Amino acid sequence: AQSVTQLGSHVSVSEGALVLLRCNYSSSVPPYLFWYVQYPNQGLQLLLKYTSAATLVKGINGFEAEFKKSETSFHLTKPSAHMSDAAEYFCAVSDPPQKVTFGIGTKLQVIP
Amino acid sequence: KAGVTQTPRYLIKTRGQQVTLSCSPISGHRSVSWYQQTPGQGLQFLFEYFSETQRNKGNFPGRFSGRQFSNSRSEMNVSTLELGDSALYLCASSLSQGSDEQFFGPGTRLTVL
Repeated sequence: AQSVTQLGSHVSVSEGALVLLRCNYSSSVPPYLFWYVQYPNQGLQLLLKYTSAATLVKGINGFEAEFKKSETSFHLTKPSAHMSDAAEYFCAVSDPPQKVTFGIGTKLQVIP
Repeated sequence: KAGVTQTPRYLIKTRGQQVTLSCSPISGHRSVSWYQQTPGQGLQFLFEYFSETQRNKGNFPGRFSGRQFSNSRSEMNVSTLELGDSALYLCASSLSQGSDEQFFGPGTRLTVL
């Protein structure tokens, strides 16, 4: 069975600092991995996805994530946090055509 | 191209009532999935419909049901509402079953009193 663990339900960073949101997964087969962002009172928006191509995936808004099979990790990073990055971030795993499993989410606070 | 739309956006019901939520996927998308989002449990998968057939189902009681129409629009129904059903219900559409990208609607906020 597939599962996702997001370390840290709340993360605070200063504006301009590095953003690192952690995600570890378990899957019996090479998975598809995703990061989604959710702003208040909105649905989820796809930031980036890994589908067994390049291990370093670049997404929207300057975010990127690296797939590390040996560590079963897919951490999300951004070199410099912006106030507009404050939101909740979800890591997800999918073994198509199975359902997508989401992590519990990490709320990112950006301190001016 | 219009995004995923969900109606209504907000709903208040009382215990024991039933509710129907609607989701219109992106034009051309044939798969619709439903999720329940709560602060304590996060996003939990309810079910997925493709070509009017339920293809996957999460671990929810039979009070939660859904259907999909020939135009790919989907509805979910919750009967005999309980306080714990208060949540944001999200619908996501994708091109086909097992597609690697889902597009989410804004959700329906259900409050059960």
